[in-house]
Amino acid sequence: NAGVTQTPKFQVLKTGQSMTLQCAQDMNHNSMYWYRQDPGMGLRLIYYSASEGTTDKGEVPNGYNVSRLNKREFSLRLESAAPSQTSVYFCASSGDSLGEQYFGPGTRLTVT
Amino acid sequence: SQQGEEDPQALSIQEGENATMNCSYKTSINNLQWYRQNSGRGLVHLILIRSNEREKHSGRLRVTLDTSKKSSSLLITASRAADTASYFCATRGSGGSYIPTFGRGTSLIVHP
Repeated sequence: NAGVTQTPKFQVLKTGQSMTLQCAQDMNHNSMYWYRQDPGMGLRLIYYSASEGTTDKGEVPNGYNVSRLNKREFSLRLESAAPSQTSVYFCASSGDSLGEQYFGPGTRLTVT
Repeated sequence: SQQGEEDPQALSIQEGENATMNCSYKTSINNLQWYRQNSGRGLVHLILIRSNEREKHSGRLRVTLDTSKKSSSLLITASRAADTASYFCATRGSGGSYIPTFGRGTSLIVHP
C-alpha cells in the first residue's frame, strides 16, 4: 500500500516550458487535491476533484490545469511555467470531501 | 485567503515540556483537522474534531474546539525531540463548501 505517490520529486524548468506533475493514490479515495506550499504561506489549494469526473478551482488556479484521469490519478499541468510558480507542490487524497487528507511526498519545482 | 491561522508562528521548548498551539478561523466549519509536517516531507494527519465535539484525545495529543470563539488548540504533552515539526490546522467548511483551508502553521522546536 504505497498511499499517495508523486512524480517527479524534483524539477527545474525554464520560463515558458511546460510540464505535468503526476499523482496517484491506491486507497480508493474519491477526492483528490493539488496544493502549493511557499515559505510563510502555508498550503494553498490549486485545484481539487471531489469525485472522479469532476474538477474545481481552488484558491490559486491561474496558470494551472488539471485532469482527473481516473479514480486513482490526478495530474497537474503547467502550460507555460513562470518564476512565480517556483514552489513545492503536494498532492493529497481523502475518502470523501470532508475527511482527513493523505499527502504525497511533494515535488520541488524551480522555474528559472 | 487563509481560513485558519495558527498562533504562535514559532515555539521553542525543552524535551518533557508541554506544547500548546492555537488555531483561529473565520467561518462556520464541519470539522477541523490538525496535521504535522516534518522538514521537507508531506503532511501527516494527526486528529480530526467535528463541530459538535469539544475535546478529543489521541495518545499525547489533546485537541479542543470552541465554535463560539471559532478557535481550536492542540496540546502535545511530554514533548520529545521527534515532535520537532511544523503543525497546521485545516478547516472543512459547512454548508456545501468542501474546499479545505490550511493556516500558515506553527513551527515547533523541541530541544533534547
